[in-house]
Amino acid sequence: AQSVTQPDIHITVSEGASLELRCNYSYGATPYLFWYVQSPGQGLQLLLKYFSGDTLVQGIKGFEAEFKRSQSSFNLRKPSVHWSDAAEYFCAVDGDDKIIFGKGTRLHILP
Amino acid sequence: DGGITQSPKYLFRKEGQNVTLSCEQNLNHDAMYWYRQDPGQGLRLIYYSQIVNDFQKGDIAEGYSVSREKKESFPLTVTSAQKNPTAFYLCASEQDYEQYFGPGTRLTVT
Repeated sequence: AQSVTQPDIHITVSEGASLELRCNYSYGATPYLFWYVQSPGQGLQLLLKYFSGDTLVQGIKGFEAEFKRSQSSFNLRKPSVHWSDAAEYFCAVDGDDKIIFGKGTRLHILP
Repeated sequence: DGGITQSPKYLFRKEGQNVTLSCEQNLNHDAMYWYRQDPGQGLRLIYYSQIVNDFQKGDIAEGYSVSREKKESFPLTVTSAQKNPTAFYLCASEQDYEQYFGPGTRLTVT
């Protein structure tokens, strides 16, 4: 069965530091992969997606993610975080007739 | 502006009452979804609809019902059979595998 694992429930980084959020998936075929962000009390917004081609994908707000088939990973990165990046981040994989979401990683930013 | 609207933002009900959450979209998307979100649980799929007049149960459909009479609308009813209905409910539509989310409705049942 398809699944998505986000190993880190909470991550804290200092403003200006680099960020990497981990995501591992389980899927038999070539996956369609996504990262979404959710601010408190709001809906989710798509940051980026991977369907095929270049394994390094660029998204909005300065985020990027790299698809590594050998590691079944799709980690999200940002070179320098801003206080406004504090939110919850969800990795997701397209599971045939529905999207499967990870349980999320909450990002905290230290001033 | 195109998008997904959910109303109301906050909803309070007494235990034993059914309540219907609204979800409307003007994006002309065929597929629509309802999720439930609880702290630390991520998003759990309640129901989804790929086309008008058709819908399928998701992972946690018990105690919920939906209808899809119009392409634009996908209301969710939380029935009295749902044992723990207090949660944040998110509606989404989908096109080309990308999901577009509404702002959510926080339901509190006491």
